[in-house]
Amino acid sequence: QVQLIQSGAEVKKPGASVKVSCKVSGDSLSQLSMHWVRQVPGKGLEWLGGFDPEHGNDGETVYAQKFQGRLTMTEDTSTDTAHMELSSLKSEDTAVYYCATGVLRYSGFDYHDWGQGTLVTVSS
Amino acid sequence: EIVLTQSPGTLSLSLGERASLSCRASQSVGSDLAWYQQKPGQAPRLLIYDASIRAPGIPARFRGSGSRTDFTLTISSLEPEDFAVYFCQQHHNWPPITFGGGTRVEIK
Repeated sequence: QVQLIQSGAEVKKPGASVKVSCKVSGDSLSQLSMHWVRQVPGKGLEWLGGFDPEHGNDGETVYAQKFQGRLTMTEDTSTDTAHMELSSLKSEDTAVYYCATGVLRYSGFDYHDWGQGTLVTVSS
Repeated sequence: EIVLTQSPGTLSLSLGERASLSCRASQSVGSDLAWYQQKPGQAPRLLIYDASIRAPGIPARFRGSGSRTDFTLTISSLEPEDFAVYFCQQHHNWPPITFGGGTRVEIK
């Protein structure tokens, strides 16, 4: 049983950066495809990006176009911890950020295991 | 980008009633569609993948159907724990992976 434990809530000023972590237990991060999804409180879900083992020669992280240039996803396999860093924060980035393990189907991913979510508040 | 439109926005039903939730895609997604349930303060929970396959541990009262652009999640007889928000998600043509706006199932 995979468990994903995320870091705690963050409050940031506009223009700052935030880094959210996601610790994996019950499996090795290197065996998983970690993705990130966010949700503005009371609203829908928005995919940010994630690792695709079938992209390129050894797999690559694929990002949603709208976040290109200010979103970075990294993995520390020595601690089985994934990180999501979003820079140049705006008030519209206020949301709950989830990590989720992508299950690779025929053409893409759906998500079986989720972290508990991390609320990021952007406010001056 | 494939847009998923869910309807209705809110469904008001009583315990034991049948719920039918719709998800319509802006272009064909084949059978590459999943359904999730989300309760307040919780992460989404995968119910159905590949349009009609129940995820492990999901009760048989949840049934997914449809293909290409029209999909339905049916809950045959509502239990108290089924009152929640439901989202559909496609991974047929990505990036980006996209989600529908959600349907809230509330107690009438």
